[in-house]
Amino acid sequence: AQSVTQLGSHVSVSEGALVLLRCNYSSSVPPYLFWYVQYPNQGLQLLLKYTSAATLVKGINGFEAEFKKSETSFHLTKPSAHMSDAAEYFCAVSDSRTGNQFYFGTGTSLTVIP
Amino acid sequence: GAGVSQSPSNKVTEKGKDVELRCDPISGHTALYWYRQSLGQGLEFLIYFQGNSAPDKSGLPSDRFSAERTGGSVSTLTIQRTQQEDSAVYLCASSSKGPQETQYFGPGTRLLVL
Repeated sequence: AQSVTQLGSHVSVSEGALVLLRCNYSSSVPPYLFWYVQYPNQGLQLLLKYTSAATLVKGINGFEAEFKKSETSFHLTKPSAHMSDAAEYFCAVSDSRTGNQFYFGTGTSLTVIP
Repeated sequence: GAGVSQSPSNKVTEKGKDVELRCDPISGHTALYWYRQSLGQGLEFLIYFQGNSAPDKSGLPSDRFSAERTGGSVSTLTIQRTQQEDSAVYLCASSSKGPQETQYFGPGTRLLVL
């Protein structure tokens, strides 16, 4: 079985500061890991994904995430926050073997302070 | 089509009534997913179709929920004898092959059970 934990339901950062959104997963088999973003009044869209290739994954809008098996983590980072990054961010995990279920975290709301 | 579409966009119903929610995936996408997003909650995985088959239905909240997919395209999520706790946004997503691929989300159906 798989599960995802996102630490911090709300994160606030100053414009230009580092963004760090935490995600820890639990999986009995090699996982697929994803970060999705939901901008206000918009649908969910993929930021980036890990599917057993490079452990450092680069996504859109300057975001990246690193898969750390020893820490069972897949934290999302961006060096410098922009006002347009304000959104809800969801980490998700899927079983790479069967893929029959897909688990999202409860989400982290990012606020960027000017 | 250009993207995933869902209908209706909003549905208000009375407790005890049945409702049908429809999802039209991106043309050619073999994988289709249903999720539920409740206020203050993350995305709850409901069911995954590969073609017309759903290998695992254990994510459905109760036996009042059922889903089907015909012709490898359109999917319908049916909720029988709706309850107030069924009120949520129901999201559909599709991907080209399976869980390792990017999921493209529809705008959702907002269901309110009075």
